[in-house]
Amino acid sequence: AQSVTQPDIHITVSEGASLELRCNYSYGATPYLFWYVQSPGQGLQLLLKYFSGDTLVQGIKGFEAEFKRSQSSFNLRKPSVHWSDAAEYFCAVAPRGGFKTIFGAGTRLFVKA
Amino acid sequence: NAGVTQTPKFQVLKTGQSMTLQCAQDMNHEYMSWYRQDPGMGLRLIHYSVGAGITDQGEVPNGYNVSRSTTEDFPLRLLSAAPSQTSVYFCASSREDPGYEQYFGPGTRLTVT
Repeated sequence: AQSVTQPDIHITVSEGASLELRCNYSYGATPYLFWYVQSPGQGLQLLLKYFSGDTLVQGIKGFEAEFKRSQSSFNLRKPSVHWSDAAEYFCAVAPRGGFKTIFGAGTRLFVKA
Repeated sequence: NAGVTQTPKFQVLKTGQSMTLQCAQDMNHEYMSWYRQDPGMGLRLIHYSVGAGITDQGEVPNGYNVSRSTTEDFPLRLLSAAPSQTSVYFCASSREDPGYEQYFGPGTRLTVT
């Protein structure tokens, strides 16, 4: 069955520290991969996406993600976290040639001063 | 562009009442979706549409109806509200090119008592 797993329900990091949020997917073929961010009380906003090509993709707000086919992973990273990055982050996949997107359960990021 | 708009922002219903959640987009996207967001479960697809006049069920369609008479509008109808439908509802639109990136509305928080 197709699925997206975000193993960390919540993560706390200090401001200025580095961040890595994990995402693993189970899919028949390499899908389109996305990371979305949801600030409190808001809708979701796209951070970055992977379709093909370079496996390290850059997104908005200084985020990047690396696609690793052998591990079926698409982890999100940021070198230095800011207090404004506190939010919930969702990994998502969509099939090539189709659009029904599957979302992970989300990881809530807390940033401490 | 207003993007994706949803009304109302908040709604309280009694069990058995019916109502319609409105969604509109002004980006001429062919695909539109309704999701519900519940704690720890990410976003689950309720219904979706691949164009005017074409709708289909998602993962959790029971108790909801949709229609798509125009490209812009995609209302979600709750036929007889139940407490299990208490949730936050998001509408999203997307297009095939490039790769079904989704644009989300701000959400409707629904409470059924």
